[in-house]
Amino acid sequence: EDKVVQSPLSLVVHEGDTVTLNCSYEVTNFRSLLWYKQEKKAPTFLFMLTSSGIEKKSGRLSSILDKKELFSILNITATQTGDSAVYLCAVGSGGSNYKLTFGKGTLLTVNP
Amino acid sequence: GAGVSQSPRYKVAKRGQDVALRCDPISGHVSLFWYQQALGQGPEFLTYFQNEAQLDKSGLPSDRFFAERPEGSVSTLKIQRTQQEDSAVYLCASSLLLDTEAFFGQGTRLTVV
Repeated sequence: EDKVVQSPLSLVVHEGDTVTLNCSYEVTNFRSLLWYKQEKKAPTFLFMLTSSGIEKKSGRLSSILDKKELFSILNITATQTGDSAVYLCAVGSGGSNYKLTFGKGTLLTVNP
Repeated sequence: GAGVSQSPRYKVAKRGQDVALRCDPISGHVSLFWYQQALGQGPEFLTYFQNEAQLDKSGLPSDRFFAERPEGSVSTLKIQRTQQEDSAVYLCASSLLLDTEAFFGQGTRLTVV
C-alpha cells in the first residue's frame, strides 16, 4: 500500500524563524511529489518535484527531492504569520499523478 | 472562471437523504479529480476523469457514490442514502493534462445529521 508520512505533525514558530518540513514516501512506481498549502479548505499548489537534487524555489519557499532516500523537504525562510497553514505532501504513483496519495499534513503556526 | 469552483460550499443532509455536489473545473482542463478529506486527515482519492471518461473510480467508498462528467467539463458527485460516515470535505481538482499540477477548489463540507 502506498504511504506518505509527514513530520512534524505540528510546529509553532515565531515570525522570522526558518522551518523545515519533511515528507517521506513508499509508493509503487513513483511519478512526482507535490507540495500544497491548505488554509481553510482549498489546497493551493506550491511545487511539483520529479527529479532528484533539483531545488525548486518560489520567494521564501524552496523544496528538494531525494529519490534515493525517498523523501522531500520544504523550507520556509523568514516566516510570516501568513505562512500559518497546513502543508500537505502528495505523491503520484503507478507512473502517473492522477491518483495522489497525501500525507496527513504539517500544521504550521507562526506567531508574531 | 479563474479557478476551480465548487458548490454548494456547505451542505447539511439528514441521514438517508441524497446529495449532489458540483464542480466547475478550470476551462480547458482535461483531467478532473474528486477527493474526500476527513477532519485532520489528508485528502483521499475518490475518482478520476479524462474529459468525459471516468478512467478510475477505485476510491469510491461504496456503490452509494456516483460521479459523472457528461460533457467533459462540469462534474457532479452524487451520494445516495447518506450516512454519518460520509461527513467530510469533498474536494474537486483539475489539471490541464494528466501529470501536470492539479489545482483544487474550495471544497464542499458535507455534514450528515
